This record gives sequence, C-alpha cells and structure tokens, in this order.
Amino acid sequence: EVQLVQSGAEVKKPGESLKISCKGSGYSFTSYWIGWVRQMPGKGLEWMGIIYPGDSDTRYSPSFQGQVTISADKSISTAYLQWSSLKASDTAMYYCARHGAIDAFDIWGQGTMVTVSS
Amino acid sequence: EIVMTQSPATLSVSPGERATLSCRASQSVSSNLAWYQQKPGQAPRLLIYGASTRATGIPARFSGSGSGTEFTLTISSLQSEDFAVYYCQQYNNWPLYTFGQGTKLEIK
Repeated sequence: EVQLVQSGAEVKKPGESLKISCKGSGYSFTSYWIGWVRQMPGKGLEWMGIIYPGDSDTRYSPSFQGQVTISADKSISTAYLQWSSLKASDTAMYYCARHGAIDAFDIWGQGTMVTVSS
Repeated sequence: EIVMTQSPATLSVSPGERATLSCRASQSVSSNLAWYQQKPGQAPRLLIYGASTRATGIPARFSGSGSGTEFTLTISSLQSEDFAVYYCQQYNNWPLYTFGQGTKLEIK
C-alpha cells in the first residue's frame, strides 16, 4: 500500500525549534516530489513548498520562503518540515502529500497538528 | 501568483440532488486543475485531476469540466458521505501551486 505517515502532534512554546516528519512507503520514495501544505484552524489549504527526495531539489512558496526549511533523507524515505523559531501564528495542521505522475497531489499524509502557545 | 477563486463559499443541497461547484483562475491554467475533498478531521483526498479525470476509486457521480480559467465540479446525486469541503488547485504554474479557498457543501 502506498502511504505517507506523519509524526505525531506537537505542543511547543514561541521561539522553540521543531522538525516534523513524513515517511513514505509502498513506492519509490526518491522518484516523486513531496509537498507540504498548511491548514490553519478553520481555514483553507496553503501550499508551502516541495522537495524531490532523489536529489533534495527544493522549491518554496514565496509566502513561506525563509520561514521554514524542507529537507529529506532518502535513506529512510522521510521528508521533513522544520522551524528554527516558532511563532503562535505557526499553529496549524501540516500535511505532506505526494506529487504524483499525474502532477496533482495523489497521496496525503494524515497530518501533524502543531500548537504553539506560551 | 495565480489566484484561484471558488464559488459559492457555502452550498446547501438536499441528498439526491445535483451540486455544482465553481472555480475560477486569475489566468489560464490550461487543464492543470485538480479537485480535492476534505471531511472534518481528515486529510484532503484527490477527486479529479487534469480538470476532468477521476482519480482511482472515485465514484462516477463526481465529474469535472472546464479549461483555461473556468472549471466546474459536479456531483450528480448527492450521497450523505459527499457533504464536505471541496478545494480546487492549479498546478500549471510549477512550482507555485495554489489552492482555492474552498466550498463547503452542506445538507439542506
């Protein structure tokens, strides 16, 4: 079964760092781009950026450039999204999704809820 | 950046009836348009890609149409499990993909 499994919910304080993960299985992880999508509470979907695990080529939405870092470790089929200094406004659900051969996001992780509160 | 605008924001339809959701792009995206369904507490699920091709396992009551800047998602006979939020997404402008703000389909 093709799937993406994300790490569990996180509760952090402002200013702390965080790295969440997305592990792929059931397909060639290095052959498909993996994207990250933010969903703030009660709001819509926002595309953050995308990485090609085969060579770590990474692209960011201008809205998120410099705010987060996307990376991948192809040896363990895992993509990451990280923050160096969290803000309360980073509170959201974060999804990873596979950019399929059809160009749309065909497989989604279950989401990781990040809560930033003092 | 290509702006995607969905209408209406909320659509109230009775089970068994047809629902028509719209998505407009600020500039042409050709047929590089996908539709996703999101139920409460769940991740989005791909319904339609290439503006009109159903994804694997999606029932035939879901259909997509359009090209360029105007797109439509039609659900021919609403089932209880179809009440959810629907998002369109353009993937023409690599890598600056953008989503619409969503249409909530609710039971009338």
